[in-house]
Amino acid sequence: EDQVTQSPEALRLQEGESSSLNCSYTVSGLRGLFWYRQDPGKGPEFLFTLYSAGEEKEKERLKATLTKKESFLHITAPKPEDSATYLCAVQAAGNTGKLIFGQGTTLQVKP
Amino acid sequence: NAGVTQTPKFRVLKTGQSMTLLCAQDMNHEYMYWYRQDPGMGLRLIHYSVGEGTTAKGEVPDGYNVSRLKKQNFLLGLESAAPSQTSVYFCASSKGLGRVDHNSPLHFGNGTRLTVT
Repeated sequence: EDQVTQSPEALRLQEGESSSLNCSYTVSGLRGLFWYRQDPGKGPEFLFTLYSAGEEKEKERLKATLTKKESFLHITAPKPEDSATYLCAVQAAGNTGKLIFGQGTTLQVKP
Repeated sequence: NAGVTQTPKFRVLKTGQSMTLLCAQDMNHEYMYWYRQDPGMGLRLIHYSVGEGTTAKGEVPDGYNVSRLKKQNFLLGLESAAPSQTSVYFCASSKGLGRVDHNSPLHFGNGTRLTVT
């Protein structure tokens, strides 16, 4: 069964304190691993897609990496505006395009 | 460019009542999805559609029906609402599948918060 597990559930950081979020997955044929950001009362907003082990993508203070079993979202020198819930999802082989989501990590960055 | 629009934003139903959630996208996307989001459960797929006139069951389809009569619209119906259907419902759309290393991400609306009493 395809499954995605994110850790930790919640993370509190001081502004400028770098850290990483983890996404572990099991999937039959990975088409892609997706990271989303979700603000309270809003829908998820797309951040990155990773396709193969060893791939990395960056956007401002965020960098996503991928191995055969997990992905990391590294946050460098975070700011309060980075506070949000970060969702990881996998897309399995097949023709549906559907995503299987983890439960998310809620990040709070204090000034 | 509105993207994905969901109506209504909020709704309160009594047990046994019915309603339809509306989703509209203006990006000419082929694929559309309905998810529900519950605390501690993450986003779970209810139903999806890979093109106009097609629908398929997702992970948690029981108690819901869908229709995709027009490419830009995807409707989610609750025939007889139950308290277990209290949730936030998200609609999403995507261009569909391209090359295996070049997938189109899902674009989400801002959700409908439904309470069933």
